[in-house]
Amino acid sequence: DQQVKQNSPSLSVQEGRISILNCDYTNSMFDYFLWYKKYPAEGPTFLISISSIKDKNEDGRFTVFLNKSAKHLSLHIVPSQPGDSAVYFCAASEGTGGFKTIFGAGTRLFVKA
Amino acid sequence: DVKVTQSSRYLVKRTGEKVFLECVQDMDHENMFWYRQDPGLGLRLIYFSYDVKMKEKGDIPEGYSVSREKKERFSLILESASTNQTSMYLCASTSRGLAPSSYEQYFGPGTRLTVT
Repeated sequence: DQQVKQNSPSLSVQEGRISILNCDYTNSMFDYFLWYKKYPAEGPTFLISISSIKDKNEDGRFTVFLNKSAKHLSLHIVPSQPGDSAVYFCAASEGTGGFKTIFGAGTRLFVKA
Repeated sequence: DVKVTQSSRYLVKRTGEKVFLECVQDMDHENMFWYRQDPGLGLRLIYFSYDVKMKEKGDIPEGYSVSREKKERFSLILESASTNQTSMYLCASTSRGLAPSSYEQYFGPGTRLTVT
């Protein structure tokens, strides 16, 4: 039973356009949500996060939206750049410390020049 | 520049061998984790540790054990490697506390293990 789902294994976007990556979760006890970015042969790196008490968090070109009623979050990248091509993992946490963090399967983003 | 390092980037072992994967972090983090990453399955937690000599099972601990003798070092042990343990292994760490930063995990570069 996957508590965190990323239903799109891959996404292809033209440079300069918006990339939207989606994530659904089932556990209403999750109180914090994170996105990580992973390049080949490297470990994931933290990108952006959002607390469950908010519905939007923005950091430069990256914005995360949270819809608690739908148990859905999305990552928007505007404008997309070729360097954004990577695998993006959605993660949901119940409490601090990372002990109860569940990761999605990841979405591979291709940004075409 | 904070860092999590892993002892090997690539490793090839034979079935039945004992395998040691080591992870070191320089951030003075209390919490450390071992994950495996497989296509279509994301990152799955094998074991974690919240203090020296303390360890807890994650979601898929079978076939693995861990050791944390020093705060900065967390080792993953495959007692008798099997082909289904061929995977990418990722180590991570976090700080303790209630601040939002304690949700964020810092990952090492990963070890690609192949068991033949």
